[in-house]
Amino acid sequence: DAGVIQSPRHEVTEMGQEVTLRCKPISGHDYLFWYRQTMMRGLELLIYFNNNVPIDDSGMPEDRFSAKMPNASFSTLKIQPSEPRDSAVYFCASSDPGTGASYEQYFGPGTRLTVT
Amino acid sequence: LAKTTQPISMDSYEGQEVNITCSHNNIATNDYITWYQQFPSQGPRFIIQGYKTKVTNEVASLFIPADRKSSTLSLPRVSLSDTAVYYCLVGSNDYKLSFGAGTTVTVRA
Repeated sequence: DAGVIQSPRHEVTEMGQEVTLRCKPISGHDYLFWYRQTMMRGLELLIYFNNNVPIDDSGMPEDRFSAKMPNASFSTLKIQPSEPRDSAVYFCASSDPGTGASYEQYFGPGTRLTVT
Repeated sequence: LAKTTQPISMDSYEGQEVNITCSHNNIATNDYITWYQQFPSQGPRFIIQGYKTKVTNEVASLFIPADRKSSTLSLPRVSLSDTAVYYCLVGSNDYKLSFGAGTTVTVRA
């Protein structure tokens, strides 16, 4: 398997623009997680899905952020409108707890977002 | 989620064993202890997970005392490529991970 795939790898946009980040989890994994990492706040869990259903979105910072998982092989994280403080690296991760290691999540390479 | 405390940084030399101790005084009965490694510009990578006593894999060992209020990740014979941030996490069956600041391990030649 190619691992978790994220696109784009880098995104530079202007304040006020809509940004869409994409993630393809590992095939067969039924959990998908979105994280954000900054120097100030570290690695934060934003939202996670189980079998395409959002389970916990308490980490989503505000209404400008939304996430969807229309099918088992694709998820998006959208920011509209974007602000400079959204600049961060966004990671997608997937897992299959049924295989035994409950907390073994596989992370993608991340999307580095810069909002100017 | 139980709070964890680990050293901010540690220095070591190639070939030495590195032991990182994590404190989790409020660990719950159902909680597992998990360690991740993160290299610059990459996502975290799962290293090891345990519930009690000792767990060993090809990368590391995890030692958990009987009271489970702490745990120690042991990296045998480190090399320069083991320079990374190491995170200790504690969680139960909701599968949520809460990453702290981690321990920056620097391995020198």
